[in-house]
Amino acid sequence: DAGVTQSPTHLIKTRGQQVTLRCSPKSGHDTVSWYQQALGQGPQFIFQYYEEEERQRGNFPDRFSGHQFPNYSSELNVNALLLGDSALYLCASSFFGTYGYTFGSGTRLTVV
Amino acid sequence: AQSVSQHNHHVILSEAASLELGCNYSYGGTVNLFWYVQYPGQHLQLLLKYFSGDPLVKGIKGFEAEFIKSKFSFNLRKPSVQWSDTAEYFCAVNPASFTGGGNKLTFGTGTQLKVEL
Repeated sequence: DAGVTQSPTHLIKTRGQQVTLRCSPKSGHDTVSWYQQALGQGPQFIFQYYEEEERQRGNFPDRFSGHQFPNYSSELNVNALLLGDSALYLCASSFFGTYGYTFGSGTRLTVV
Repeated sequence: AQSVSQHNHHVILSEAASLELGCNYSYGGTVNLFWYVQYPGQHLQLLLKYFSGDPLVKGIKGFEAEFIKSKFSFNLRKPSVQWSDTAEYFCAVNPASFTGGGNKLTFGTGTQLKVEL
C-alpha cells in the first residue's frame, strides 16, 4: 500500500479533450506534487501544491493546471490533450519542509 | 537548473553478481541525492538518500550508494543481486536548501535491471 491514492488507474482520451486526475495524499502529509513519466523516461516535475496554492512549477505549458483542496487532496487538469501527453502521471505527497516523498502508483493516460 | 545522468539504460546480470549503477548530476549548489526503485506494476519506492555526513549511505534490501562530491556522482551498489531485484532504478536530486517555494525532484532517465536465474 503506497499510502497515496490516485484515480483513475487508466484512462483513454481523444486529442483535444480535457482530463482530470485525482490524488489523495498519505495521511499526515500536506503537500502534493505531480510528475509526468513518459515511456522510457524518468519522472518530470509538473508542479507542487501546498496550502491550496501552486508553490513551484516545472517546464510545462499552461494547459496543465492543478488544484488542492482543504483536505490536502489534489487534482491535475490537462486541457486540449495532445498525443504527447500520453504518459504515467504520478502524484507524490510529503510534509511541507521535508524531503520525504511518498509516491502513488500513478494514472496511465493514453491520448488517441 | 539541475540535471541527472544515468549512463546504463539496461543492465542484465545473473543472480549473485555484483551491481553498480552510475549516476552523475549537474547543479551549482548543494544537493540531496536519492535512489528510487520501481518494481513492475508498483509505485516508486525510496531505496536510500543522502543529505549530509558519511558519503557512504546504506539503504534497504542491501543496497548502498557512495556520494563523491568531486565527481558529482552518486553510484548505487549491491554486492550480490537477487532475481527479485529486477526493476527500474532512478537516481534523483533536489536542492539542499528548502526555499519554502517547494522542493522538486529531478530524476534521471532510469536504468532497467534484469536479474536472470
